[in-house]
Amino acid sequence: DAKTTQPPSMDCAEGRAANLPCNHSTISGNEYVYWYRQIHSQGPQYIIHGLKNNETNEMASLIITEDRKSSTLILPHATLRDTAVYYCIVGNSGNTPLVFGKGTRLSVIA
Amino acid sequence: DGGITQSPKYLFRKEGQNVTLSCEQNLNHDAMYWYRQDPGQGLRLIYYSQIVNDFQKGDIAEGYSVSREKKESFPLTVTSAQKNPTAFYLCASVNRYGYTFGSGTRLTVV
Repeated sequence: DAKTTQPPSMDCAEGRAANLPCNHSTISGNEYVYWYRQIHSQGPQYIIHGLKNNETNEMASLIITEDRKSSTLILPHATLRDTAVYYCIVGNSGNTPLVFGKGTRLSVIA
Repeated sequence: DGGITQSPKYLFRKEGQNVTLSCEQNLNHDAMYWYRQDPGQGLRLIYYSQIVNDFQKGDIAEGYSVSREKKESFPLTVTSAQKNPTAFYLCASVNRYGYTFGSGTRLTVV
């Protein structure tokens, strides 16, 4: 079973920031938080990952709470092409298989 | 360019036939994984291999078989024992930074 809880769906207006929440209250000390997204009928695409500190790259920002029990993925200026299913996963990809739950279906609306 | 290639993109199988899905990577990753995805669902792990000539069953291995004779290749055979093989199959190569997925094979039983 997935060790994360995500809302099944969210809407976001084009050009606005999309904030996708994820709860992972049972995360272990050596487990990372990973975010992937899957556009319809394609393989999932890596977005970002982090351990404790907030992270930012060209695609998104990842905010992890101090107790590490939850996190938020931020897409700063959502476009229609960001419409996808977003998966939040906790684990350590170098050790054991990551468990992909059902994710959050983000719909970006014009 | 480094990447992971799955073929074919679409595959049709008659009942009672075995079919083999190809997965090749040139990322020099040691680990490779196979997932199955059904409509509206997350990814379920079929088999994974952390190193050449070694592989482990995932959560839904029944009716599937794999081999890992080369680092670059991890083919998946869907046998006639798999009662409901129609699904989207995803292969990933893995290192400690995360997963790189192929574009998937959509298998349909006719």
